[in-house]
Amino acid sequence: GAGVSQSPRYKVAKRGQDVALRCDPISGHVSLFWYQQALGQGPEFLTYFQNEAQLDKSGLPSDRFFAERPEGSVSTLKIQRTQQEDSAVYLCASSFDRERGYTFGSGTRLTVV
Amino acid sequence: GQNIDQPTEMTATEGAIVQINCTYQTSGFNGLFWYQQHAGEAPTFLSYNVLDGLEEKGRFSSFLSRSKGYSYLLLKELQMKDSASYLCAVIAYNTDKLIFGTGTRLQVFP
Repeated sequence: GAGVSQSPRYKVAKRGQDVALRCDPISGHVSLFWYQQALGQGPEFLTYFQNEAQLDKSGLPSDRFFAERPEGSVSTLKIQRTQQEDSAVYLCASSFDRERGYTFGSGTRLTVV
Repeated sequence: GQNIDQPTEMTATEGAIVQINCTYQTSGFNGLFWYQQHAGEAPTFLSYNVLDGLEEKGRFSSFLSRSKGYSYLLLKELQMKDSASYLCAVIAYNTDKLIFGTGTRLQVFP
């Protein structure tokens, strides 16, 4: 597609529920990034992939967070046993190389109640 | 560690010029980005600086001084639609991940 697509756009989860957030990057983009953005803050890095390899997961806040990109295109961010502090916008970005910039999706707004 | 500082909020008048500053302290440096983000929307790319100096792109310009760990985004002929958050982000050495500041919320008044 023309841009980075994320689904769902909005997700309300009950505390303790598992959620899965999907990111469809721009076709041919090698790198894929996940960020968490709290209200009024800048995006915080979670993890990134180069093709199917997860090169850095240092930003994942706990072992309840897991990301995968098994075929080097679509990626899924999974959060197990959601907590209220997980409420945020989860942004996905993809890039071919840094000189051409990073394209962000519109994000998934997760609300844990 | 990594630290990126920018003002939290700024206000300006339609038609004016505004400069948004960003200072950074990171483990090495591989480039600096500016993004614009309207409320509830995706960040959109404005500029990428890797060498010192000024890059001009229409009404927007971005400046970088690597020795000072300093950048600014200059917006000219402000329009109401420029009301948004402006995010400064740095790529540290030996990585491709962007490290963001908290963003500067700009409000443009008529």
